[in-house]
Formats: sequence, structure tokens, C-alpha cells
Amino acid sequence: DAGVIQSPRHEVTEMGQEVTLRCKPISGHDYLFWYRQTMMRGLELLIYFNNNVPIDDSGMPEDRFSAKMPNASFSTLKIQPSEPRDSAVYFCASGPVTGLGSNTDTQYFGPGTRLTVL
Amino acid sequence: KQEVTQIPAALSVPEGENLVLNCSFTDSAIYNLQWFRQDPGKGLTSLLLIQSSQREQTSGRLNASLDKSSGRSTLYIAASQPGDSATYLCAVRPRIVPYSGGYQKVTFGIGTKLQVIP
Repeated sequence: DAGVIQSPRHEVTEMGQEVTLRCKPISGHDYLFWYRQTMMRGLELLIYFNNNVPIDDSGMPEDRFSAKMPNASFSTLKIQPSEPRDSAVYFCASGPVTGLGSNTDTQYFGPGTRLTVL
Repeated sequence: KQEVTQIPAALSVPEGENLVLNCSFTDSAIYNLQWFRQDPGKGLTSLLLIQSSQREQTSGRLNASLDKSSGRSTLYIAASQPGDSATYLCAVRPRIVPYSGGYQKVTFGIGTKLQVIP
């Protein structure tokens, strides 16, 4: 398996523009997570899906952020309009999460998308 | 609210030294604790996962311990090598709540940036 795939790897945009980040999870994983990482706040969970259904989006900072998972192999995180304070690295992760206490209860991270909003 | 603290924020050691990274958490009602490694410009890679019922896990030169009662975990790296240079993050998952979807949000520490000098 190629692992979690994210695109683009780098995105530079101007304030006010729409940004769409994409993620392809590992096949067979039921859970998909979107994280944001900054120097000041570290890694923060934005939203996660179980079987394509959003379960908890309490980490989404504002209404400008939205996420979708139309099928088991694709998810998007959209920021509209973007602002300079959105500049960060955005990670997508997927995992089986059996809840049975095994060592398969982990998340597999993609390489991230480095977003810069000017 | 769970808080995860990692000290020190950065560490520089000469090659060959044994070292210890620290992680502390405020809520001992955890499901598991996990150590990740993050290389510059890349995602997180799981190193060791310790279930709440376990006290330690070992993988090669790495040993992670867990003391739930005191809210502490350590990652011990033996005979450090330049290739160990990376940021190490600690992540804590709380106990599973029934009927919650089987997943509880993980809280990450900010990480310890390790540099091993040849």
C-alpha cells in the first residue's frame, strides 16, 4: 500500500482565496482524521470521519473550514476564504481503530500539506 | 481537558549517548499512550504504543514506559545515532466511552526536537 496520500504537498495562496486540500486514506481503514500543526499549538485534531460520516468536527476553527468524505477513498478539507492565520501544515491520517486494545489501534499519517496564506 | 506536556522542547546529544524523553499528562483515565517520530517535512510515524494496562513496550533500541498513576511516560533511546534526529511526539488517547463510535480524540504533546551530533 502507498500509505496515506495528500495533495498538494505545498500550497501558497493569497488571503481571501479558496483552498482545497485532498486526502486518499489507506484502503480498508474506517477512520479518517484531519489535523493542523503549527509551532505554537502543535498538532490539533480538526475533524474525523468514521465510515465516511463526520463524527466530531468540534476542532474545526471556524465556519470558513469544511470537510467532506464522499467515499471511502477520498476526503477534502476546504478553507474559504483563507486567511494568513490559516498558514500551517495540514495532515490527513487514517486508521483501523478496532477499539480492542491491540497495537493496530494507531493512525497512519500522510506527508502533510504545507499551506501558506499571504 | 487532557493536557500533554513534553520536556525538554529540544535536546542535543553526542552520538552514542543514551537519552530519555519525557511526557506528562494531566488525566490518568487513558486508553493508551503512543510515541511518534516526525522527520522534517514529513508526517508522523508510530514508534511504540502502550496500552493502559501495560507498563512498557520495547522496539529495538527504543523503550517506552508508562506510569499512569503519576501521569508520566518516558521514551528511552539507547546508543543514539545521527539517524535518530527528529521530533518525538507523545500522544494520549482517553478511555473509550460506550456508544461513542469507538474512538476518543487523541491529545498530542508539542514534541521534543532531538539532534544527535556525529
